[in-house]
Amino acid sequence: EAQVTQNPRYLITVTGKKLTVTCSQNMNHEYMSWYRQDPGLGLRQIYYSMNVEVTDKGDVPEGYKVSRKEKRNFPLILESPSPNQTSLYFCASSSLAGVSYNEQFFGPGTRLTVL
Amino acid sequence: QKEVEQDPGPLSVPEGAIVSLNCTYSNSAFQYFMWYRQYSRKGPELLMYTYSSGNKEDGRFTAQVDKSSKYISLFIRDSQPSDSATYLCAIKEAGKSTFGDGTTLTVKP
Repeated sequence: EAQVTQNPRYLITVTGKKLTVTCSQNMNHEYMSWYRQDPGLGLRQIYYSMNVEVTDKGDVPEGYKVSRKEKRNFPLILESPSPNQTSLYFCASSSLAGVSYNEQFFGPGTRLTVL
Repeated sequence: QKEVEQDPGPLSVPEGAIVSLNCTYSNSAFQYFMWYRQYSRKGPELLMYTYSSGNKEDGRFTAQVDKSSKYISLFIRDSQPSDSATYLCAIKEAGKSTFGDGTTLTVKP
C-alpha cells in the first residue's frame, strides 16, 4: 500500500529538549516536504527536498532542520523546541515524473505540544 | 499582503447545490495550481492540479485558473454530504508551496 508514515503521531515535550519527527514514504518519490498547520493559518511549508541531499527552505524554516540522506526518509529536527512550535505537522511526498503532481500523498500528521 | 488569499467561509449549502471556492494570488511566477480536500483530523488529499489558464474537469469537480486576473476557483457540482470538508488552494513555484487558509464547507442533506 502506497503511504507516507510519520512518527510519533502525538508528542508532548518541554522547551529545549531536542526532538525528531520521522517521515518515510514507500513510493520512491523524489519530492518530500514538511508543513505545519495552525488554526486559521492554513498550511505553511517548513522545508522541502527535491531529491536526496537537496533541501530548501519553505516559508517558515526558523527553528527547524531537515536532512535527506535516503530517498524514502525526510526527518524533521527541532534542536531546541519552543512553545510557538506547538502545532500539527504534516509530511508529504510526490513524484516529479514529467511535471505531474498527480501522485501526491500526505502523512497522517504529528500533533506536537511544547510546554 | 499574503501571497495567496482564500475566501474564508465557512460555507453551508444544501445537498445538490453548486459550490464555488475561490482564491487569489499575487506572484506571477507561480506555476502550478492545486486544490486539496482535508477531512477533520486527517491529512490533506490532492483533488486537482493544473498549470495553465482555463478549466480542468474531473467528475463533479472543475478547477478554473485565470492567470491574467491571478484568480483560481474550484467548482463542485451536485454537492454531497461527503464533500463536507475544508478545501485548501495551493500554488507552487518549483518545490515551494504556498497555501490559502482554507474554506470549510458543510453540505446539508
